[in-house]
Amino acid sequence: DAGVIQSPRHEVTEMGQEVTLRCKPISGHDYLFWYRQTMMRGLELLIYFNNNVPIDDSGMPEDRFSAKMPNASFSTLKIQPSEPRDSAVYFCASSSRVVSNQPQHFGDGTRLSIL
Amino acid sequence: AQKITQTQPGMFVQEKEAVTLDCTYDTSDPSYGLFWYKQPSSGEMIFLIYQGSYDQQNATEGRYSLNFQKARKSANLVISASQLGDSAMYFCAMITDNTDKLIFGTGTRLQVFP
Repeated sequence: DAGVIQSPRHEVTEMGQEVTLRCKPISGHDYLFWYRQTMMRGLELLIYFNNNVPIDDSGMPEDRFSAKMPNASFSTLKIQPSEPRDSAVYFCASSSRVVSNQPQHFGDGTRLSIL
Repeated sequence: AQKITQTQPGMFVQEKEAVTLDCTYDTSDPSYGLFWYKQPSSGEMIFLIYQGSYDQQNATEGRYSLNFQKARKSANLVISASQLGDSAMYFCAMITDNTDKLIFGTGTRLQVFP
């Protein structure tokens, strides 16, 4: 079975540009999560969706960040305009349920560098 | 509040030896799950093993086992017969049935040497 697929794997762009990160969850998983990993803050949950509906976006740092899930097999995380402090690894994860016995399966991440 | 603590920033182990990575957790919820993830230098997050709060036996997955001590609120990962490919960051994580967020510890960097 295919795992969670993220693209691009690496992104380098200049400050002020729009950045779009993409994710395809595992087929049949109803939950999709976006995380950000930095040295200073570790892994942070940004937002998660259930059946394509955003449930909790309290981790989204500011209005420059937005996420959508137009269908069960695709989600995007957009940063506009990007800033150097957004440089991080962004992970997408999916799971079949958000309960204590279901692991979240992560994609390989997108390493984002904002110059 | 839910919390995961990993007190070992780094660990060294010789190839073929066993190593224990520590994890303690804090929650007042009776139903919770504990997970370990491996993050190699290539960056991906790999799910390794799961332990449920009501499980009577310690979880095992191949060379990975989880030493679950509920009264002490600890869920240590034991890797037996270490291999060079086990060199990575290891994260302990928890989710409870009353919350919807997977909480991670700060991680332990394991280095396996020949």
